[in-house]
Amino acid sequence: TAGITQAPTSQILAAGRSMTLRCTQDMRHNAMYWYRQDLGLGLRLIHYSNTAGTTGKGEVPDGYSVSRANTDDFPLTLASAVPSQTSVYFCASSDGDNSPLHFGNGTRLTVT
Amino acid sequence: GQNIDQPTEMTATEGAIVQINCTYQTSGFNGLFWYQQHAGEAPTFLSYNVLDGLEEKGRFSSFLSRSKGYSYLLLKELQMKDSASYLCAGMDSNYQLIWGAGTKLIIKP
Repeated sequence: TAGITQAPTSQILAAGRSMTLRCTQDMRHNAMYWYRQDLGLGLRLIHYSNTAGTTGKGEVPDGYSVSRANTDDFPLTLASAVPSQTSVYFCASSDGDNSPLHFGNGTRLTVT
Repeated sequence: GQNIDQPTEMTATEGAIVQINCTYQTSGFNGLFWYQQHAGEAPTFLSYNVLDGLEEKGRFSSFLSRSKGYSYLLLKELQMKDSASYLCAGMDSNYQLIWGAGTKLIIKP
């Protein structure tokens, strides 16, 4: 079925190492987002992209970078992981400003 | 500042009705979303309100009062599969979503 695919599903990463979380959608949505979800907190936006070739910073961008080379792919990179980046990461896409978000299944990341 | 408030946890009985409340403060307003999230899974869209009033979709309904900065999600004829977290999110004037921490709904037989 069409949707958003995230990889990996889970990962344990040593502090100081780098990692790229992958996100691919096949719905041709212009807007894509990266969120992190932590216990007791609402989803927090890390970075977003309104269209291919453009990106923007969300609420908690420090320590993360993104790129949007084409419509389908929106990878999230942690250059040098720290334990506070332990979280569940969700990629999402939408068809327009007021359109609902479609979420991937998430990546559970543990930084040790 | 921008803020979304919703109860942390609620318990209800199978077959009953439950109302999950959400109050919001956003810079401008472009609508209120409700999502359902089962444990260990991704959030899925339930409803969107931008005008005052009640929107009904089967067993689920969502209400909005813009003057009060208030919304609720009403779940009828509760089933065990409705046990999940329900996320309220307000959209501000820049079309950015402000998320509540979610309400964990526990359904008891």
